[in-house]
Amino acid sequence: DAKTTQPPSMDCAEGRAANLPCNHSTISGNEYVYWYRQIHSQGPQYIIHGLKNNETNEMASLIITEDRKSSTLILPHATLRDTAVYYCIVRVPTGANNLFFGTGTRLTVIP
Amino acid sequence: EPEVTQTPSHQVTQMGQEVILRCVPISNHLYFYWYRQILGQKVEFLVSFYNNEISEKSEIFDDQFSVERPDGSNFTLKIRSTKLEDSAMYFCASSDSLFTEAFFGQGTRLTVV
Repeated sequence: DAKTTQPPSMDCAEGRAANLPCNHSTISGNEYVYWYRQIHSQGPQYIIHGLKNNETNEMASLIITEDRKSSTLILPHATLRDTAVYYCIVRVPTGANNLFFGTGTRLTVIP
Repeated sequence: EPEVTQTPSHQVTQMGQEVILRCVPISNHLYFYWYRQILGQKVEFLVSFYNNEISEKSEIFDDQFSVERPDGSNFTLKIRSTKLEDSAMYFCASSDSLFTEAFFGQGTRLTVV
């Protein structure tokens, strides 16, 4: 089951940073935070993941609070193509690598 | 960039018929998955597959479902006797290890009539 809480929807102006929050107050010490997104009805797309340090890649940055109970995905310069549902998932990268998707945040980038 | 490919993109079948959904995972990946998404609902895990056997399956993955890797490239999901409620998008995914991200295909939309 999803162990995260996300706002159901957010808007962001094109060109501005989109900051998507996620609460995971029951996260365990060995659980990672993963972010995926789903554009329209396409397959989910991996964005980024982290354990406790902040992470950055070509798509986004992930900021995890010191107590690890929440995180924020940052899209630094949102474009219209970033309009999608964003999923925050916590998981232990062992076992069968299953992902349990919640309802996510529907981000709408506005021109 | 390597990608997971799924065929067909859309399949319509009559209730009670068998369907096989096909996937070609990324070539050097070892872990394979099926997920489904009923229209307007969450993406749900069905099954994971590694080393030619099922690693884990969800409650949804009952006896009507089976998976197979018939050769070195394909990974299939079979639904033996489809029901109306099997109508959904079915996504295949693969990863090269337990510690890396899963790559998803674009999905097969299954419509049971």
